[in-house]
Amino acid sequence: NAGVTQTPKFQVLKTGQSMTLQCAQDMNHEYMSWYRQDPGMGLRLIHYSVGAGITDQGEVPNGYNVSRSTTEDFPLRLLSAAPSQTSVYFCASSYWTGVSYGYTFGSGTRLTVV
Amino acid sequence: GENVEQHPSTLSVQEGDSAVIKCTYSDSASNYFPWYKQELGKRPQLIIDIRSNVGEKKDQRIAVTLNKTAKHFSLHITETQPEDSAVYFCAASRSNDMRFGAGTRLTVKP
Repeated sequence: NAGVTQTPKFQVLKTGQSMTLQCAQDMNHEYMSWYRQDPGMGLRLIHYSVGAGITDQGEVPNGYNVSRSTTEDFPLRLLSAAPSQTSVYFCASSYWTGVSYGYTFGSGTRLTVV
Repeated sequence: GENVEQHPSTLSVQEGDSAVIKCTYSDSASNYFPWYKQELGKRPQLIIDIRSNVGEKKDQRIAVTLNKTAKHFSLHITETQPEDSAVYFCAASRSNDMRFGAGTRLTVKP
């Protein structure tokens, strides 16, 4: 049971390049989400999914795309990277335990756009 | 959508003292309020949570209080230790759509 696995851990992109941040969970959680973390701004929700085939926008969705073709995987795509997307990205999965949402975070991806 | 504000942004206490971090939320329908601790370079880890039908919850040196009427909740850490030094985040949600505060950097001086 690996929990939430994010790859890569570090990435440097040039402005205008595209890439996909991978996120996979093996806990059969229905809900998955992507956050970005910037200094002094906490964790901001980019996109989330409540199940396979269903995605929705969070607080800061512009410049990012997601898809949820399977329960396990929730990739985040940057179509044309910009310096403003330099950040640490966290993927999370969760489920309702009956008393709480059991959020599990991945280890994060540190992205630098130059 | 939900908006969560967190104060203070930084907090420095002497070992053994108490630390209090406060958050307010905007969506009266929010019903779940977790707190996360994030050490440098690591992922956020859940330390305590509270549901809207509970006013207070305690787990050893950590406690959380919730005032639904005022829409604010607080984290209390007693007998602080140097290993409590980290960034703490509050969050609020009414479903799986979790929104976080900006974080509080707590420093416990030995």
